[in-house]
Amino acid sequence: DIQMTQSPSSLSASVGDRVTITCRASQSISTYLNWYQQRPGKAPKLLIYAASSLQSGVPSRFSGSGSGTEFTLTIGSLQPEDFATYYCQQSYSTLYTFGQGTKVEI
Amino acid sequence: EVHLVESGGGLVKPGGSLRLSCATSGFTFNNAWMSWVRQAPGKGLEWVGHIKSKTDGGTTDYAAPVRGRFTISKDAAKNTVYLQMNSLKIEDTAVYYCTTDRRDFDYWGQGTLVTVSS
Repeated sequence: DIQMTQSPSSLSASVGDRVTITCRASQSISTYLNWYQQRPGKAPKLLIYAASSLQSGVPSRFSGSGSGTEFTLTIGSLQPEDFATYYCQQSYSTLYTFGQGTKVEI
Repeated sequence: EVHLVESGGGLVKPGGSLRLSCATSGFTFNNAWMSWVRQAPGKGLEWVGHIKSKTDGGTTDYAAPVRGRFTISKDAAKNTVYLQMNSLKIEDTAVYYCTTDRRDFDYWGQGTLVTVSS
């Protein structure tokens, strides 16, 4: 199975900060990489698909980049509602796998 | 509007079985791949498995920890997808979500809690 590793596991930030989360794949996955946001007690929400495509309705302060084995999710200016846990997920193999998550805290 | 509603969770003893259902509406069910994703208490997301659309062969894939114990099926007449879970283990305790699957998970249900405990 393809292993996905996120860094950092958690980070502290303030409203207005620019935040970057990294996701690395154990082998090349082209751009088959998606990002999700999960708030406590809620189902995850798709933010970015195919590494850099913004899901409909998601604010433009979220962006994704990368290809091959290294990917980043950037939040341009952190808002109060963005304090949550973020997960990457590969779909290069149809045996999908998630990263372990990055918790963004105040 | 797309709706996914899971049901069937509950408390079950180790070695027992449970069937989860996911009733869907608002999209063309026959053309959709559907996945199950779970989340153990306080842990991250884990993909469980999926069923492809009939046009893509209707086949299933499963994550290694559940392969041979879990089975995903669809009832097109009821627009419902199922997760049959057998030989349950304590480590299967989790909230189980069904999702639409376009190789990303764009719609999610609210989840149903499965607790495996003696």
